[in-house]
Order: sequence, then C-alpha cells, then structure tokens
Amino acid sequence: DTEVTQTPKHLVMGMTNKKSLKCEQHMGHRAMYWYKQKAKKPPELMFVYSYEKLSINESVPSRFSPECPNSSLLNLHLHALQPEDSALYLCASSQDGQGFHEQFFGPGTRLTVL
Amino acid sequence: GEDVEQSLFLSVREGDSSVINCTYTDSSSTYLYWYKQEPGAGLQLLTYIFSNMDMKQDQRLTVLLNKKDKHLSLRIADTQTGDSAIYFCAESKGAGNMLTFGGGTRLMVKP
Repeated sequence: DTEVTQTPKHLVMGMTNKKSLKCEQHMGHRAMYWYKQKAKKPPELMFVYSYEKLSINESVPSRFSPECPNSSLLNLHLHALQPEDSALYLCASSQDGQGFHEQFFGPGTRLTVL
Repeated sequence: GEDVEQSLFLSVREGDSSVINCTYTDSSSTYLYWYKQEPGAGLQLLTYIFSNMDMKQDQRLTVLLNKKDKHLSLRIADTQTGDSAIYFCAESKGAGNMLTFGGGTRLMVKP
C-alpha cells in the first residue's frame, strides 16, 4: 500500500466555522507533512511531524492547528479562517532520517473559505 | 527572488521530445526532483537525482544536472497526451527532507 488518503476531498466553510482535515497512511512512514497550494502556485510547506512530534512549523498562523494522534494519522484543525486561506491542502508522508526518502502525496483537500 | 525557477508553459506535439528546464540558487542542494501534478490531484514523484550525478535516465525520462550553472532539466521522449500536466522541480538539502518547489511548468501536448 503506497497510498496517502485525505478527507474530505472538498470543504466549504465560513469564517466562523471549525473544521478538520484528515490524512492517513499505512506505509510505516514516520514523517508526515502538510502543504498549502494556491492556484497556479507550487506547494508551500506548512508543518512537518517526525515520530508524531511537530518538528517544523513554517510560521503558519495559529488558526491552523496540526495534530498527529498516531503514526498513521495527521489532522489539520481549522478555525476562524480567512478567504485567502482558500487553497488545496496536501498531505505527504515519507520515511524519516537523512538521505533520500520519497515523499508520497495525497490527492489533497480543496478548501474554500467564504 | 525564488530559490527555484521554471518557465511557465511548454507546448509540444505528440511524439516529440519535451525539455523542461529549472534553475536553482542553493549550491548545497543535496537532491533534486521532478514531480508531476495532474489537474485536481496530488503530486507524483517522477524521478530524482543526487547532486553528485550529471545524468539519470529512466525509460522515457532523462534528467540532466549542471551543478556549475545550477541548471536542471527533464527530457521526456516520445511525449504523449497523457504527459500533459504541471511539472515541478524541487530541491532538498541537508538533514531531513524539506522540499522547496519551483513555480511549475505547464506542459501541453497537442495530438
């Protein structure tokens, strides 16, 4: 199984809503990532988890709150988002450690904030 | 400026070769990658090259790396309509696996 799954595929939310994005992998990967991709732009790294601990936060606003409840799951909790947060949110996973480790990407959640 | 740059668009005819170019600024990049993204989908790793290599070939794909000029290219032989997508080059450096992506090149393949 080399698949990273993400739910939901699409999400529309208001600025006062609280919602969560979910990501799951069963490849035994111990590094998991959240990326944000705006239209016609490259993915931008938001967070990296290594062995279920947050290792990198790329100065992401606190209205985005990541959580890694176990080695297979990664969540992104959303609260009080702005319309400019509308984007494709991609999850990825990889082996951890030095050297080359392919990042496997999920299909993404397309988020629209009204 | 951006760490990794690509041209925005490339159009080729089916059966021709496509060459997508990328330049990067950081000479300490360890690995360089080519990812493919189809509409509405995530990213798929096509190939990668270690920074001490000059060339890597994998079936229809050939990657060339010029470290002196910090230039990376991806050649797709016998381009097919299914190759139409956005192609991102990316780099990673040092410990860990953080990727920095270029802006992406949209490849359009005409029948």
